Order: sequence, then structure tokens, then C-alpha cells
Amino acid sequence: AQKITQTQPGMFVQEKEAVTLDCTYDTSDQSYGLFWYKQPSSGEMIFLIYQGSYDEQNATEGRYSLNFQKARKSANLVISASQLGDSAMYFCAMREGLGNTPLVFGKGTRLSVIA
Amino acid sequence: DAGVIQSPRHEVTEMGQEVTLRCKPISGHDYLFWYRQTMMRGLELLIYFNNNVPIDDSGMPEDRFSAKMPNASFSTLKIQPSEPRDSAVYFCASSLIFRQGSFYEQYFGPGTRLTVT
Repeated sequence: AQKITQTQPGMFVQEKEAVTLDCTYDTSDQSYGLFWYKQPSSGEMIFLIYQGSYDEQNATEGRYSLNFQKARKSANLVISASQLGDSAMYFCAMREGLGNTPLVFGKGTRLSVIA
Repeated sequence: DAGVIQSPRHEVTEMGQEVTLRCKPISGHDYLFWYRQTMMRGLELLIYFNNNVPIDDSGMPEDRFSAKMPNASFSTLKIQPSEPRDSAVYFCASSLIFRQGSFYEQYFGPGTRLTVT
């Protein structure tokens, strides 16, 4: 079974609108972390936001927020006020356990922002 | 501070040749990860090190792949002999040892795009 599922291969959003990218995860660990990375066409991986399994509040970083629903095992990324520069691939990833373990990535969602 | 440095950025080689990819982690980071990205399989872990010691190499596809970390500031990923199916983007990432409140953010290098013809 996949540990990270991103069901939207591609998404379109109008500039200045908000968009939600879906991510569901599967783990039996009580301690885990969820990450979102952005990969623009230039190829680098850019860290956006993190949510720990014990964090009670949803993480926010500027225009990015993470809608964490633990019971549903979902960690959706919300981008507010989309900009043309937000067009990229977005990856959800999970780190299981307490230690510094490798990330497991989803397949990604390609976001296209339309002017 | 310089980020994670990878070289070369692009590599084109013929099947059967040896390929060596290089990575310099961020100074002070003592975890180093090698990931591979392909269209078919997405991003997957190959191997990771802690304090220069390999911790988990179960993601290394086969014996043609080997990785070393001779010191805290340098790691190599070698493919010998290379095959067309090894064509991918190879990322190196580093992160810090545990500290209170840390969530082990991984800092990725720019990647090496490998093409094996």
C-alpha cells in the first residue's frame, strides 16, 4: 500500500485564488511528520511547510497552510492568493518515527496558475 | 551559508560506463540522503548516512550502485556499469542531528540529471 497518496495529478487555479492540494497518508506510527515540497520546472526541491503528528494547530508559513486532519490521515496543502510563480510540482512527504528517518514521497501534483 | 552542492549537474554517458555523482552536504549536517527521481517511480530513497556511516541501503537498486561517505563533507554515488534505465535525476539531501524542537528538515541539492544512452 502506498504510504503517501496524492490523487490529483494536475490542478489549475486562477491567479489570486486559493487552491487545495490533497494528500493522504498511511502509517501505524504515532510519531510522524508531514512535509510539503515544491519543485519548479528548474528542478530543485524547495521545502514549504511541516506538520508534526503531535502538533495541535495547523501549520502556516506565509501563503501556505496545512490542513491537518489526523483522524482522516490527511494533510492537505492550501495556497492562498495564488501567483504565477506558484506553478510547479508539489510533493507531499512523510517521515515516520521519532528519529531522522528518510522521507517517503507521494507522486506529486502539478499545479498550473492561470493569469 | 552554501546549500547542498551536487556535481555534475548534468551527465550524459554511454551504457556500460562508470558514473560518479558527488555531493557536499551543508556544513554541520550529519545526515545525508541520496534520492532518485524518475517519471515511473517518483522520488525514492536509495541510501542514507548518519555520521558518515550507512544506515539503510535497502533502496539501492542492485550491486551496480554503491555509495560512500569518506568524511562529513563529501559523499559519492557510483554506478558501474551504467544502464539506460538508470537515467534519472539524483538528489542529495542533508539534515541536522536531533535537537529539541527540530523536525529534521531535509535540504536538497539541485540534483544531477543523468542520461545513459
